Amino acid sequence: QKEVEQNSGPLSVPEGAIASLNCTYSDRGSQSFFWYRQYSGKSPELIMSIYSNGDKEDGRFTAQLNKASQYVSLLIRDSQPSDSATYLCAVTGGYSTLTFGKGTMLLVSP
Amino acid sequence: KAGVTQTPRYLIKTRGQQVTLSCSPISGHRSVSWYQQTPGQGLQFLFEYFSETQRNKGNFPGRFSGRQFSNSRSEMNVSTLELGDSALYLCASSPYNDYEQYFGPGTRLTVT
Repeated sequence: QKEVEQNSGPLSVPEGAIASLNCTYSDRGSQSFFWYRQYSGKSPELIMSIYSNGDKEDGRFTAQLNKASQYVSLLIRDSQPSDSATYLCAVTGGYSTLTFGKGTMLLVSP
Repeated sequence: KAGVTQTPRYLIKTRGQQVTLSCSPISGHRSVSWYQQTPGQGLQFLFEYFSETQRNKGNFPGRFSGRQFSNSRSEMNVSTLELGDSALYLCASSPYNDYEQYFGPGTRLTVT
C-alpha cells in the first residue's frame, strides 16, 4: 500500500516568514512529485512539480526532493495571508495515479 | 486554454439511486483520472482512463464505474448510492503519464 505522510498542522507562521512543509512517501518506485494548494471549498491547484533530486524554484516557492530519504518538501518564502490553505503532497509511480497525503493546513497571520 | 470542466457542480440524491458525473479534460489531454475527497479519508484515487481504456482502478466497490469517450470526455457512475458516498468528486486531466494533473472544480454529491 503506497502511503504519503504529512503533518496535518496547522502550521502557523507570521506574514513575511518562510513556511516549510514536509512530506514522506513509502513507495521507492515513485517517480513524480507534486504540491497542490487547496483553499476551503475549492479544488486542488497545482503549484509545484519535481521529478529529480534537488531543488526546484518557482517564484516564492521551492520544492526539494530527496529520493534516498523518500522525502519531499515545499518552502514558501515571504508568506502572505493569501497563502493560508491546505497543502497537499502527491506522488505517482505509474500511469497517472496520484497518491495524496492528507494535507497540511497553513495559516499565515498578518 | 480552457481548464477541466465538471458537471453538475452540485447534486443531491437519495440512498439507492444512481448518479452520473461528467468531466471534460483540457484540450489535448488524453488521460483523465477521478478522485473522491472526504474529510475523513482525504483524496482517494478512483480510476484513470487513457484513450478510452481504463488503465488503473483504486480500491472502491464495483458500484463505482467510469468510461471515457473518443473525444477524451469522461463520465463516472455510482449505482445504489449509500450515505457514505457523499463527497467531492474530482476529475483531473494530464497530457502524459506520471505528469502534472490539473483538477476541475469538482462535483459535490450529497446522499440523503
